[in-house]
Amino acid sequence: DADVTQTPRNRITKTGKRIMLECSQTKGHDRMYWYRQDPGLGLRLIYYSFDVKDINKGEISDGYSVSRQAQAKFSLSLESAIPNQTALYFCATSDPGQGSYNEQFFGPGTRLTVL
Amino acid sequence: SQELEQSPQSLIVQEGKNLTINCTSSKTLYGLYWYKQKYGEGLIFLMMLQKGGEEKSHEKITAKLDEKKQQSSLHITASQPSHAGIYLCGADKGAAGNKLTFGGGTRVLVKP
Repeated sequence: DADVTQTPRNRITKTGKRIMLECSQTKGHDRMYWYRQDPGLGLRLIYYSFDVKDINKGEISDGYSVSRQAQAKFSLSLESAIPNQTALYFCATSDPGQGSYNEQFFGPGTRLTVL
Repeated sequence: SQELEQSPQSLIVQEGKNLTINCTSSKTLYGLYWYKQKYGEGLIFLMMLQKGGEEKSHEKITAKLDEKKQQSSLHITASQPSHAGIYLCGADKGAAGNKLTFGGGTRVLVKP
């Protein structure tokens, strides 16, 4: 089974609808992240959480909110979806471990289309 | 503007040929990560570089970080169809670590 899972994998919705993307991990990591990927722009950080009580905005948080329900679960919400939120969304986890330099483990992504 | 610039944005290489991807930052890199993404899938970690002049290899992929820690290159020797995908470099934003900024990605296509 995958260590980082995302649901749904694909979603088509209409402008103005509320959407929730979910992420679960079995790696036991404290740190979780949400990114969006647009063609040619790489990945951009939306929100991140270093533990259950810690939530931080990333570089493009406007229009998004998150909830860290447990160490293993981190969900991303679009309160009122708009077409320019059409993108590929990734969840990732990491573990501080030794020092501050650690790889992030990514989920398979959720492809969201807002019509 | 993006803090990390990747070049080229895309490339097509004949199977068996070598290829190089570059990742350049205007600021000192505390940690530089290379990931590979198969089309429509998640990211797979390849390598991480920290020290100026560091070089790491895994199978036919070699990554280097320059002495000034502002540029990294990823080199693939004798490319195969399995090397096709999008390669992304990511960098720690500071010594506190773990909030990555990514380059725009390089799309690689290997022609058989």
